[in-house]
Amino acid sequence: QIQLVQSGPELKKPGETVKISCKASGYTFTDYSMHWVKQAPGKGLKWMGWINTETGEPTYADDFKGRFAFSLETSASTAYLQINNLKNEDTATYFCARWRDDGYLFDYWGQGTTLTVSS
Amino acid sequence: DIQMTQSPASLSASVGETVTITCGASENIYGALNWYQRKQGKSPQLLIYGATNLADGMSSRFSGSGSGRQYSLKISSLHPDDVATYYCQNVLSTPYTFGGGTKLEIK
Repeated sequence: QIQLVQSGPELKKPGETVKISCKASGYTFTDYSMHWVKQAPGKGLKWMGWINTETGEPTYADDFKGRFAFSLETSASTAYLQINNLKNEDTATYFCARWRDDGYLFDYWGQGTTLTVSS
Repeated sequence: DIQMTQSPASLSASVGETVTITCGASENIYGALNWYQRKQGKSPQLLIYGATNLADGMSSRFSGSGSGRQYSLKISSLHPDDVATYYCQNVLSTPYTFGGGTKLEIK
């Protein structure tokens, strides 16, 4: 069955770096792009951008340009979200989600990774 | 960027009632609108895609309608299991913006 399994919760200090993983299984990884979505505490969902799993080319929403980086390890069917120079406002749950081109929808989501940034 | 505005932000209704959540886009999105259900502690789950199409495995008590800039999600015959936050999402163009969410509670 198709699954997206994300890495576990993270507790970091401001200024540090975090790398969150999203391991896909049950389908051909490069057939579907991977998107990332943020949910801060008490807030709604926010689309961060996506990565083309065939080419590795990332695209970032405006609010996520600069400190955020999407990457792949295709041999391991894994997508990564790295956040550099962490700030308190990065505290959130981060989801990866598989995008289906025929339908324009997210059909599978990871379970979410909770990141807490606190000194 | 296309802005998505949902209303109400929260609502409370009784088991068996019918409720409607609305979603407005800042411009015509030509039906490129999805709805997701997020239950407490779970990942979002696709509910409706293309404004009107019910996702596989979701209850037929959920239905979507709308066109242009205005869309709605109707939940008929409310069940206790429907307690969740519901989000609309523009998928016409990036950024694929979400509405602010509607938190549904059962009285």
